[in-house]
Amino acid sequence: EDKVVQSPLSLVVHEGDTVTLNCSYEVTNFRSLLWYKQEKKAPTFLFMLTSSGIEKKSGRLSSILDKKELFSILNITATQTGDSAIYLCADNGSGNTGKLIFGQGTTLQVKP
Amino acid sequence: GAVVSQHPSRVICKSGTSVKIECRSLDFQATTMFWYRQFPKKSLMLMATSNEGSKATYEQGVEKDKFLINHASLTLSTLTVTSAHPEDSSFYICSARGTGHSPLHFGNGTRLTVT
Repeated sequence: EDKVVQSPLSLVVHEGDTVTLNCSYEVTNFRSLLWYKQEKKAPTFLFMLTSSGIEKKSGRLSSILDKKELFSILNITATQTGDSAIYLCADNGSGNTGKLIFGQGTTLQVKP
Repeated sequence: GAVVSQHPSRVICKSGTSVKIECRSLDFQATTMFWYRQFPKKSLMLMATSNEGSKATYEQGVEKDKFLINHASLTLSTLTVTSAHPEDSSFYICSARGTGHSPLHFGNGTRLTVT
């Protein structure tokens, strides 16, 4: 059965800290991995990772995929209170279904 | 970029009534849309895959007679929660994918409260 596992499940840091969120996956016919940020409403797209070893970067956020070890990390540097959210990792539609398989999510709280 | 609109954003209804939630892809056609349910501080749980012009595919444990899905056009899917009960209170989110191998884009969700 395909699955996506995130760790840690929750994290509390202070502003300015750097955090690393982990996502491991076991899926058949892997195509890509997605990272989303969810605050109060629906998830907003952060990154789509297809190739191993190529870092994607957006401001203070970056992410990389390791297809050999079947995991991805999401880094946030110089965290701010606005980074507080649930971060979701998902397998982007393996096989023919096209549906996403989500991990459990990491709840990040950044304290002032 | 791909925009998905979901309506209403919040609804309160009485037990036993039915509620319809709409999901529209605004700037692209979506032959497939997905409906998720989310409990507080939990991840998204896929309920069903909505297929334009055909029956929806439901995940194991999801009652198809309770959660009616209609995907009548390439830009609109609806989820109707029939005979709602308080345990149906939840956050429902729809999503759709553009062409090719692109990320899934989400509506803003509907918070349903059944009293």
